[in-house]
Amino acid sequence: DTEVTQTPKHLVMGMTNKKSLKCEQHMGHRAMYWYKQKAKKPPELMFVYSYEKLSINESVPSRFSPECPNSSLLNLHLHALQPEDSALYLCASSQDNGRAPDQPQHFGDGTRLSIL
Amino acid sequence: AQSVSQHNHHVILSEAASLELGCNYSYGGTVNLFWYVQYPGQHLQLLLKYFSGDPLVKGIKGFEAEFIKSKFSFNLRKPSVQWSDTAEYFCAVIAYGNNRLAFGKGNQVVVIP
Repeated sequence: DTEVTQTPKHLVMGMTNKKSLKCEQHMGHRAMYWYKQKAKKPPELMFVYSYEKLSINESVPSRFSPECPNSSLLNLHLHALQPEDSALYLCASSQDNGRAPDQPQHFGDGTRLSIL
Repeated sequence: AQSVSQHNHHVILSEAASLELGCNYSYGGTVNLFWYVQYPGQHLQLLLKYFSGDPLVKGIKGFEAEFIKSKFSFNLRKPSVQWSDTAEYFCAVIAYGNNRLAFGKGNQVVVIP
């Protein structure tokens, strides 16, 4: 079992809906990440939070809005998504993004998102 | 920014055969290197990592990888595979100062019993 917990595991939503993906870790990690993974493709980085501050946004459309309420939680708010946004959304955490890049990222099981 | 190349996306082999997956990266500075495995329906798991010291690193489940700096390579090996090694394998690189984990396209490995 992974130490990074993501909910829900599956989500189906219409293009006008608003929903949120949640991620939680209790390893004391100070860096958290959102990735998007299409079938048979590698994960693509979306956002990085370091010490609860957004440090990297990989030019992600504004219909995806990340939030880090505290050091253990990471949310991804979704609004007005497009069918091409259907994918597996992965959350990851690591000890520290900036000062310890040798520390591996720990991944959650992901949320499989389908946009109708 | 760094990039990662993995060749032979689909690999099919029989149990007890040896496995070697190639990984090359492009970045001139200091990097940390990882191999992750994704079993069907499961999350990405770390197999092994290299950041300094002995260039031959051993990971879980009998896997090992060798960092050859002059070739910008970090190839993964296992002397004798099992059916349970059927999975997708991703090489990943993070460069000091860039702080972005870049993944290769992955190798889909199927082990036939």
